[in-house]
Amino acid sequence: NAGVTQTPKFQVLKTGQSMTLQCAQDMNHEYMSWYRQDPGMGLRLIHYSVGAGITDQGEVPNGYNVSRSTTEDFPLRLLSAAPSQTSVYFCATQRGSYNEQFFGPGTRLTVL
Amino acid sequence: AQTVTQSQPEMSVQEAETVTLSCTYDTSENNYYLFWYKQPPSRQMILVIRQEAYKQQNATENRFSVNFQKAAKSFSLKISDSQLGDTAMYFCAFMKPQGTGNTPLVFGKGTRLSVIA
Repeated sequence: NAGVTQTPKFQVLKTGQSMTLQCAQDMNHEYMSWYRQDPGMGLRLIHYSVGAGITDQGEVPNGYNVSRSTTEDFPLRLLSAAPSQTSVYFCATQRGSYNEQFFGPGTRLTVL
Repeated sequence: AQTVTQSQPEMSVQEAETVTLSCTYDTSENNYYLFWYKQPPSRQMILVIRQEAYKQQNATENRFSVNFQKAAKSFSLKISDSQLGDTAMYFCAFMKPQGTGNTPLVFGKGTRLSVIA
């Protein structure tokens, strides 16, 4: 089992460019989440999904879009990147009855 | 909304000594879960320990234990016999249980722990 995978590991964008951060899991977990980690801020929730076809906003959703068409995948889209979106992004999954989240390795994104 | 506060941005401890990391939280919920996650320089988030609020007994995992004080809304992490590999950022996190309008984890801002040889 690969667990939670994220691609790419590193990315540099120019302001205004778009891109998609990929997250995939092979654990059949219902819940998936995206967090961003900034120095001194801990991890903050961007969007989350409680199952295929269902998504909701977290604490810092502006500038990001998500969709969940399958259980396995939960991509995060930046439509027009801004320097304020420079961060490390983590995807996490959770099996409902366990209340524990499993994290991917993260993507370090730099927006110039 | 729930909040989690870690009041110690940085701490250091000598190898083999004991250190306690503090965490307080604010919630109106009666049932919830609390976690400590470790993030070493590799960046990977690793679950250290978890506590269910309905359990009075403090959780323990090998050298890691918690002091859970529900009334005081306090959830500290004690690391015994500190090892160099314990050097990492430590995050305290809160979660409401399933079926109660569940939202994922709410994190504190972290404590950077350095273990000194």
